[in-house]
Amino acid sequence: DSGVTQTPKHLITATGQRVTLRCSPRSGDLSVYWYQQSLDQGLQFLIQYYNGEERAKGNILERFSAQQFPDLHSELNLSSLELGDSALYFCASSVGVGLAYNEQFFGPGTRLTVL
Amino acid sequence: GDSVTQMEGPVTLSEEAFLTINCTYTATGYPSLFWYVQYPGEGLQLLLKATKADDKGSNKGFEATYRKETTSFHLEKGSVQVSDSAVYFCALSERSGGYQKVTFGTGTKLQVIP
Repeated sequence: DSGVTQTPKHLITATGQRVTLRCSPRSGDLSVYWYQQSLDQGLQFLIQYYNGEERAKGNILERFSAQQFPDLHSELNLSSLELGDSALYFCASSVGVGLAYNEQFFGPGTRLTVL
Repeated sequence: GDSVTQMEGPVTLSEEAFLTINCTYTATGYPSLFWYVQYPGEGLQLLLKATKADDKGSNKGFEATYRKETTSFHLEKGSVQVSDSAVYFCALSERSGGYQKVTFGTGTKLQVIP
């Protein structure tokens, strides 16, 4: 158990809908990262927050958005869902910002299925 | 842009065989390099890392050396076990314009048979 929790574990929805994925980082971690893992695109970094502020942006679509709240939990919002958004979405957390000296710990993931 | 290239899987080995999973990268600056492991049904776990050229990361019998001259970070283990069966990801992290970028390879599935 990494100490990072993600809810829900599974989510099934229809095209065009909007969903919210939630992540609680390990106690004491200030950074939260979001990743998308799919069969065709592999593991893609989406976005990183540190202490409530956006710190890095990867291949995140405009239909997707995220935020980190004062209690440090984070939410990833996916809207206008398409079939291709079906994937495993991982959250990770670390104490600081840079990965060179801050290990990131991954949650178990949320499996999103868009029908 | 940055990229990470890993050897295609799956790799199937007998127990106690020698393992090499190749990883090469392209980056504009001086990245940190990582190997992550993903066991079935779980999230990724950091296996080892190296933050500068010629550094060797090691953990649980796995090793990888940061080779700047060949832009490589190959993963090796002298004697694999069935419990090493998993997907292995090579990754790099680099600062660019005040932002940190993280790039992963496509992953290499390892299956170790008794």
